[in-house]
Amino acid sequence: DAKTTQPPSMDCAEGRAANLPCNHSTISGNEYVYWYRQIHSQGPQYIIHGLKNNETNEMASLIITEDRKSSTLILPHATLRDTAVYYCIVRGYSSASKIIFGSGTRLSIRP
Amino acid sequence: SAVISQKPSRDICQRGTSLTIQCQVDSQVTMMFWYRQQPGQSLTLIATANQGSEATYESGFVIDKFPISRPNLTFSTLTVSNMSPEDSSIYLCSAQGFGEKLFFGSGTQLSVL
Repeated sequence: DAKTTQPPSMDCAEGRAANLPCNHSTISGNEYVYWYRQIHSQGPQYIIHGLKNNETNEMASLIITEDRKSSTLILPHATLRDTAVYYCIVRGYSSASKIIFGSGTRLSIRP
Repeated sequence: SAVISQKPSRDICQRGTSLTIQCQVDSQVTMMFWYRQQPGQSLTLIATANQGSEATYESGFVIDKFPISRPNLTFSTLTVSNMSPEDSSIYLCSAQGFGEKLFFGSGTQLSVL
C-alpha cells in the first residue's frame, strides 16, 4: 500500500475555503485517492475519492495533480462542524484492498 | 450507504477477562474490517473478517488475542481476549458494500482496569 504524507494540523477561518494537502508520491497507476474525516468520538466518515480527474460532491472537491503524486481536498465554505481529523488514503481498486490510515491532518475552524 | 450498528458502545472490563464486540450491517457487504484506535492516535487495521473462513490478521495482531467471526454477509464479532490495560482503545467495525466506499460503526470504547 502506498503511503501518504499530510501536515499534522491546520486551521482555517469559518466561511473560508479549507485546502488540505496530501502527498502520495509512490502511488501506482491503479490506486485511488480517498479522503475520510473523523469528528471527535465518531467513526470515520467518507468524504470523496478519485483516480485521475478532479472530483466534486456535496461535501468537498478533490484536486489531483497531473502526475498523481499529490492531491488537495477543498472544503469550499468551512464551518465549525468541519473541525475534525482528515485522512488521505491511497487504496487499490479491488474491493478487497485494505484501507490503511496515516496520521491525518487535524483541521481547526476558527470563528 | 450501509448503516453499521456496533455494540456495546462502551465497556469497562477487568484485567484477564474477555469482551466480544458485535457488528451488524443493515445490508449485505463484501468486506468487513476491524480497526483499533488508541487514545490520540490514528486507526490501526487489526484484521479483515472473511465470510465463512478464518480472518486475515495484520502484522502484530494474532487470532488467539483477537478472535474474529463472520458467519454471514451482515454480521461479525471481534473478541478481545485476556485483556490488559494496554488493550484500552476504541475498536471500530467497518464494512464495504458493492461500491468503493468504506463505512464505519461508531466504535466501542473499551477501558480495562
